[in-house]
Amino acid sequence: EVQLVESGGGLVQPGGSLRLSCEASGFTFSSYEMDWVRQAPGKGLEWVSYIRNSGSSIHYADSVKGRFTISRDNAKNSLYLQMNSLRAEDTAVYYCVRESWELFREKYFDYWGQGTLVTVSS
Amino acid sequence: SYVLTQPPSVSVAPGKTARITCGGNNVGGKSVHWHQQKPGQAPVLVIYYDSDRPSGIPERFSGSNSGNTATLTISRVEAGDEADYYCQVWDSLSDHYVFGTGTKVTVL
Repeated sequence: EVQLVESGGGLVQPGGSLRLSCEASGFTFSSYEMDWVRQAPGKGLEWVSYIRNSGSSIHYADSVKGRFTISRDNAKNSLYLQMNSLRAEDTAVYYCVRESWELFREKYFDYWGQGTLVTVSS
Repeated sequence: SYVLTQPPSVSVAPGKTARITCGGNNVGGKSVHWHQQKPGQAPVLVIYYDSDRPSGIPERFSGSNSGNTATLTISRVEAGDEADYYCQVWDSLSDHYVFGTGTKVTVL
């Protein structure tokens, strides 16, 4: 059974930092590309960042570029999101998401973690 | 950046059919995926590649995509289908993933 378990959320002051982790199990983590998606309270879903299975390609949403860093450790079956210079508008539940695909077709999100809440407030 | 527009809400009686639209410029040329999010829960994939269903998703859920509109159809709606639904695509121009604005389905 595919499982994605996020941790590391909490309350942080504006300008502060936080590191989120996602522990994966039930599949060969090193074969899959992964993403972070967030959802502000009462709002819709917003894609945050992507990382290739090898870590060789990374993308960010414009809203977090230069402040957030995605990484992974395939030996530990773990995905990370380092968040710096946090702002009130970064307050959200952050989900770890697995990508899947079929040959010659675009990728899609097939499994979501339960999410971890990040609150940026003084 | 690419924009996907959904109606904020759809109301439907039990046993009837709900249709949720997802509008975008030539969205028919992209693959559209749909995610269901029940209150307090993480999203769950219900339709991928426009009309494919993951294992465990009832046949009542179906999808289509053509022109500027993709549609998620829920037949014989049940109380348990009450949730927020989001369409999603990959925008090749920006290398970004894009979600629709979301639709809240209420079962009357």
